[in-house]
Amino acid sequence: SQQGEEDPQALSIQEGENATMNCSYKTSINNLQWYRQNSGRGLVHLILIRSNEREKHSGRLRVTLDTSKKSSSLLITASRAADTASYFCATDAGGGKLIFGQGTELSVKP
Amino acid sequence: ETGVTQTPRHLVMGMTNKKSLKCEQHLGHNAMYWYKQSAKKPLELMFVYSLEERVENNSVPSRFSPECPNSSHLFLHLHTLQPEDSALYLCASSQDRGFAEAFFGQGTRLTVV
Repeated sequence: SQQGEEDPQALSIQEGENATMNCSYKTSINNLQWYRQNSGRGLVHLILIRSNEREKHSGRLRVTLDTSKKSSSLLITASRAADTASYFCATDAGGGKLIFGQGTELSVKP
Repeated sequence: ETGVTQTPRHLVMGMTNKKSLKCEQHLGHNAMYWYKQSAKKPLELMFVYSLEERVENNSVPSRFSPECPNSSHLFLHLHTLQPEDSALYLCASSQDRGFAEAFFGQGTRLTVV
């Protein structure tokens, strides 16, 4: 069953703007991860946030987690054209199964 | 370069063919995975191997047959596929099964004609 659902499905912004993507999930989790995928390529891990954490930063990335609402958000600040990609959240509910959402397609226009 | 290599990158096969996808990881990880990514659908977990033992078969049709001869190599044997099996097949590895991040290969783009 699908666990994570991203919102919006597509996002188009200008370079320099911030991009915010949201993820909702259904069951209890150990951690939530965000991945990036360039067109037709493999996924690259961006950041992991554990269920007992509320916020995490990595460079221009900021992730929040609200376990009471079963939701997470990924903020990319000062976006660049090179940030154009699909972004996926993935939840780890235990047992080594990472369940992915459908992703948000981000387009950053120069 | 993620340390996970998949071959071939592209594959076109007929419905009566038999082919195999290969995945190799150079990270010393203990768990390996096969995912299927179809257009407009979330990544679907197909198989999970931990220390060369299959621990998850996510209701995958028997025309897909995985093999894990050692902790560094994972294969997906394909036979009598259907056109709807056309997709990007992604291999991933992680340190352990109940884990942190997954490292993905670049995928094999499979087209069934």
